Amino acid sequence: EAGVAQSPRYKIIEKRQSVAFWCNPISGHATLYWYQQILGQGPKLLIQFQNNGVVDDSQLPKDRFSAERLKGVDSTLKIQPAKLEDSAVYLCASSSRQAYNEQFFGPGTRLTVL
Amino acid sequence: KNEVEQSPQNLTAQEGEFITINCSYSVGISALHWLQQHPGGGIVSLFMLSSGKKKHGRLIATINIQEKHSSLHITASHPRDSAVYICAVRSQSGGAQKLVFGQGTRLTINP
Repeated sequence: EAGVAQSPRYKIIEKRQSVAFWCNPISGHATLYWYQQILGQGPKLLIQFQNNGVVDDSQLPKDRFSAERLKGVDSTLKIQPAKLEDSAVYLCASSSRQAYNEQFFGPGTRLTVL
Repeated sequence: KNEVEQSPQNLTAQEGEFITINCSYSVGISALHWLQQHPGGGIVSLFMLSSGKKKHGRLIATINIQEKHSSLHITASHPRDSAVYICAVRSQSGGAQKLVFGQGTRLTINP
């Protein structure tokens, strides 16, 4: 079974630029999560999708961050414009409805904002 | 104060030592997870606990619901155990269940 795929693995941009991350969850997993992990901290949930609907986006900075999962499969997370404090690893995870408690994580995208 | 606190933040030990990492939480939970994160970002689930104790190989996880505390133990530690270990609790918020993560414990096992 293929794992959660993310791309790119690394991205360096200058502040005020835009960036987009892509995630393809494990096939058949209905729930998809985007996390932000700042260096030295644990992951923080940005947004949770159930199929193509948003379940929780309470910690998503909506003035600059957006995410979509149009067909209930893969998802994109966008930052526009980026700030220095957005430098972090962005992790995507997925879980199946049957095994809701177990999340499978992708390798993450390391973003550096200069 | 964070809802999930881990200690220590950093731990260095010699190969073969018995390792203990602690996790305390302040919210009501339905489950607690221990995760392992290797350099490069990949996170692997080690345990999910709602009570008692679980063992997998050299890893043991315990939880005390009354004291809101969990421990992860590694017996006969090995350099390949070097990683960041993260405690996460599953709690209910606004009608949805979500994971709240600790800041992680960076473990280094020297040969």
